Amino acid sequence: EAQVTQNPRYLITVTGKKLTVTCSQNMNHEYMSWYRQDPGLGLRQIYYSMNVEVTDKGDVPEGYKVSRKEKRNFPLILESPSPNQTSLYFCASSTLTPWTGSNGYTFGSGTRLTVV
Amino acid sequence: QKEVEQNSGPLSVPEGAIASLNCTYSDRGSQSFFWYRQYSGKSPELIMFIYSNGDKEDGRFTAQLNKASQYVSLLIRDSQPSDSATYLCAVNYNAGNMLTFGGGTRLMVKP
Repeated sequence: EAQVTQNPRYLITVTGKKLTVTCSQNMNHEYMSWYRQDPGLGLRQIYYSMNVEVTDKGDVPEGYKVSRKEKRNFPLILESPSPNQTSLYFCASSTLTPWTGSNGYTFGSGTRLTVV
Repeated sequence: QKEVEQNSGPLSVPEGAIASLNCTYSDRGSQSFFWYRQYSGKSPELIMFIYSNGDKEDGRFTAQLNKASQYVSLLIRDSQPSDSATYLCAVNYNAGNMLTFGGGTRLMVKP
């Protein structure tokens, strides 16, 4: 089954304790991206990657890191989490031309992160 | 700052009626437009995409695009209670593969 897998689904952590949210896709997609979703603010892009070893900042990159060492994996790293990073996080992937006969973005199931 | 605007709602329609969801965008260079449905606590799922002016139909859903007015809409015919969700409009601005999302419109279909 074609899918984007995120782990964990739920995470409660303390301020300053480094964490990693994993994302893996099995569709051989070049493009992967991380979004956070907050009430009233919608989906905001954190980082994206056009291919292996190619990453770039989205609209809200502060406090986050990413890496793309393999095509299928795109982990999100919070090196020193703070309470304002409490949010619902989504990983997404697609081919590089989502409007050409493909399904656009495929989203993972989400990770609800709480930083206390 | 490229913007995608949607009325947050809730938009309430009776079962069987047509629901009309609207979205405006700020950049005339936008190339492709997507509608996603998101149930509470779940991930967005793609309903339709459109990149040419006019209408595109898929089952009960019709997407309408007017690039001159920078306006895209989604019509849902014969609305069902199971259509109750938040509908997200997303726009590709030809900057790589990035999509910019609107804040979403919450739709409520009442039996």
